[in-house]
Amino acid sequence: SQQGEEDPQALSIQEGENATMNCSYKTSINNLQWYRQNSGRGLVHLILIRSNEREKHSGRLRVTLDTSKKSSSLLITASRAADTASYFCAPANFGNEKLTFGTGTRLTIIP
Amino acid sequence: ETGVTQSPTHLIKTRGQQVTLRCSSQSGHNTVSWYQQALGQGPQFIFQYYREEENGRGNFPPRFSGLQFPNYSSELNVNALELDDSALYLCASRSGSTGRRYTFGSGTRLTVV
Repeated sequence: SQQGEEDPQALSIQEGENATMNCSYKTSINNLQWYRQNSGRGLVHLILIRSNEREKHSGRLRVTLDTSKKSSSLLITASRAADTASYFCAPANFGNEKLTFGTGTRLTIIP
Repeated sequence: ETGVTQSPTHLIKTRGQQVTLRCSSQSGHNTVSWYQQALGQGPQFIFQYYREEENGRGNFPPRFSGLQFPNYSSELNVNALELDDSALYLCASRSGSTGRRYTFGSGTRLTVV
């Protein structure tokens, strides 16, 4: 089944800096979603990008999608302490929309 | 904010016992999925229900079973608990109008001793 792999596994940056994390996948997709998980809690949907889109913005978030390279990136600008969390990508196949997750990127924002 | 409620929040069971975890989804969310998340890992897909029928299953043994009810609630049942079943169990649901975006509950932390 389709699964995204996030990179890096862990990332620590100073508050105010930008954070970039990447996602790779193996087969053609219909869409790709990014989710955030605060420690021990449920996942929160951040953004969905469709296979015919190359870039999407939502507040301080920017997501890109390169279907030729089978990769996506999530950029968080002007990071805040509240952005400390794990971030997961979930690529979805045509006709099989269940979410499958990798191990995520653990982002730590240092005040 | 979440429209998906899971109960209980924490649970301790003994190896070999059976457990039922519950999820209450938002009205209209006719698709519900269950995930198992071990410590330090990503959520692993257990199964999905659409309009009370199972329509997808991950790599989990038959002792993991589920039900979805007409009132948008659902259950995850695990029989013959093993120590490795200790994990955070997450429920996620969506409706056709939300597209492919799922809303997750806060999870049930199950500890098997």
